[in-house]
Amino acid sequence: NAGVTQTPKFQVLKTGQSMTLQCAQDMNHEYMSWYRQDPGMGLRLIHYSVGAGITDQGEVPNGYNVSRSTTEDFPLRLLSAAPSQTSVYFCASSRGLPSGNTIYFGEGSWLTVV
Amino acid sequence: TQLLEQSPQFLSIQEGENLTVYCNSSSVFSSLQWYRQEPGEGPVLLVTVVTGGEVKKLKRLTFQFGDARKDSSLHITAAQPGDTGLYLCAAGGGADGLTFGKGTHLIIQP
Repeated sequence: NAGVTQTPKFQVLKTGQSMTLQCAQDMNHEYMSWYRQDPGMGLRLIHYSVGAGITDQGEVPNGYNVSRSTTEDFPLRLLSAAPSQTSVYFCASSRGLPSGNTIYFGEGSWLTVV
Repeated sequence: TQLLEQSPQFLSIQEGENLTVYCNSSSVFSSLQWYRQEPGEGPVLLVTVVTGGEVKKLKRLTFQFGDARKDSSLHITAAQPGDTGLYLCAAGGGADGLTFGKGTHLIIQP
């Protein structure tokens, strides 16, 4: 069972570089989201999507873009990486809104910006 | 945004001991979730509580939702090394996602 798959697992970027974190789910879930997890800060929502073609900003969206062209995929783009974006990134999905459904997380992507 | 305070931040105990961790807020929740996260992995949902005063049991884990739906606790009986991990509470879960507490880092020493 694949569930939520994130790639890459680890990445080192130089300041100013751009990259895309990939996220795919095979559960036909409508709701997908990206969180970042930092020491002492907990998990914070970056962007979310309630369905294909619909995205919106979460708590900490600056410096990130997302798109949702298919139900399965929800990539997160870093436009010009900054050291403050060093973090662990988690993609998550659920059938519907998280309050009434089980949310499934990927295994995380460790990003270091130097 | 609902602020969730978890305590203690860190807890290290011996195998076989009992422990309780807490999740508190000044806000009223419609529901609250508990997750466990192991190193190198994403959080995994343990339980969702929705009714004030509700108690749910998952093997040696007992979850309680406060009567006023502002707080919750997780009690582990006879802790085992496999219980080691980061325990997170979360609330909300509308379109703008879940709000997480900062978590309790639990270490169970053999």
